[in-house]
This record gives sequence, C-alpha cells and structure tokens, in this order.
Amino acid sequence: GIQVEQSPPDLILQEGANSTLRCNFSDSVNNLQWFHQNPWGQLINLFYIPSGTKQNGRLSATTVATERYSLLYISSSQTTDSGVYFCAVERWVGDDKIIFGKGTRLHILP
Amino acid sequence: ETGVTQTPRHLVMGMTNKKSLKCEQHLGHNAMYWYKQSAKKPLELMFVYNFKEQTENNSVPSRFSPECPNSSHLFLHLHTLQPEDSALYLCASSQDQGRYEQYFGPGTRLTVT
Repeated sequence: GIQVEQSPPDLILQEGANSTLRCNFSDSVNNLQWFHQNPWGQLINLFYIPSGTKQNGRLSATTVATERYSLLYISSSQTTDSGVYFCAVERWVGDDKIIFGKGTRLHILP
Repeated sequence: ETGVTQTPRHLVMGMTNKKSLKCEQHLGHNAMYWYKQSAKKPLELMFVYNFKEQTENNSVPSRFSPECPNSSHLFLHLHTLQPEDSALYLCASSQDQGRYEQYFGPGTRLTVT
C-alpha cells in the first residue's frame, strides 16, 4: 500500500521562528490534507490541498503531486502552534483508503 | 468547536463489558468516519459511512460494531474488548466521501482493563 512519511519527526523552536514540515508519499493520490492535533487530542483541518498552494494567515501549504510531496510552512511561530501535525492522503481506487503519516511533533518555546 | 461532538470523552471498561461510543455532527455532512489512534501509531481508519451506508470496513475485528442510523449520528458498539484496544477513538465527518476535507470530533479516550 501507499506509504506516507513525514519529516522531521520532532521539532523544537523558539517563539517567532519559521518552520517547514514535509510529507512524502509513495504513489499518486487524489486527496491530501494537513491536520493539527493539539495537546488535548483535538484534530483541526488546516488545508485540503491535493495540488497547488494555499495560504491561511501564518500557515501555508504546497503540494507538488507530480513529485509526490507536500510542504507545510509555519511562520512567526506561537506557543499555540505546538502539537502534532499530520499529513493524510487518500486514493479512490485500490486497497489504499485514507492513510495518515506518523506526524511531526512541534514544540514552540516561549 | 468543529461541529462534531463525541460522548463520552473518557471511558474505562472491563473486557467483559458492553459499551457504546456516540458521535454527532451538526454540519449537514453525508459521510462519517471512525478512526483509532493508538500510542506511537498513525491514525487508522476503521469505518466509513456515506449516506448512512457502510462503504469501508478496514479489516476491523468484530468486537467493534458500527451503527449509523442517520447522516448525523454514528455509533461504535464495543464488546469483549482487549487491553490493546485502549486508544483514542476519533469520529470525523465530511460533506461527501473522498473529495472534501474532514472535520474531527474531540475523541473518546478508551481504557480497557
């Protein structure tokens, strides 16, 4: 089945820093989403981005479907950005359904 | 607040108990999902319902039994669970299956003793 790899697995940054999180996937996909899971377990959808670039405030994402990767950019980090960031891909054919990566754990220091 | 609620938020049950998890969405969506999140493992899709019909069962053991009486409600009935079933169970919904972003509930933290 399709493999989803996220990097780095862990990231510790000072408040105000910028970061780039990466999601690689091993086969073509129809959907890609980025989620943020806060320390209390709530998952929030950040971007639905099967291709192209989107921006939402301090966050932006780019998916290059032909090269099988997506990037999530966080600028001017705040402590509330701490948590785990997941990439999830979906294929509409075959046995692969919705596959999540293992996540990047981000800790922003005040 | 994502528009998806789950109850209970925490549940402790013995291996011989029967319990149910409830999920409700107030978004007018047609697809609903159950996921399992275990420690140190990626989120695993368990079941998908689209327009009240089960469209995916990701090889889930029969001790987990889903029910979707309408597009707004989703249940997960639990019986004779094992300690390794302890996990965070997450419900999600989307406008339709496969082509729209998913909105997650806060999850139920299940401990099987």
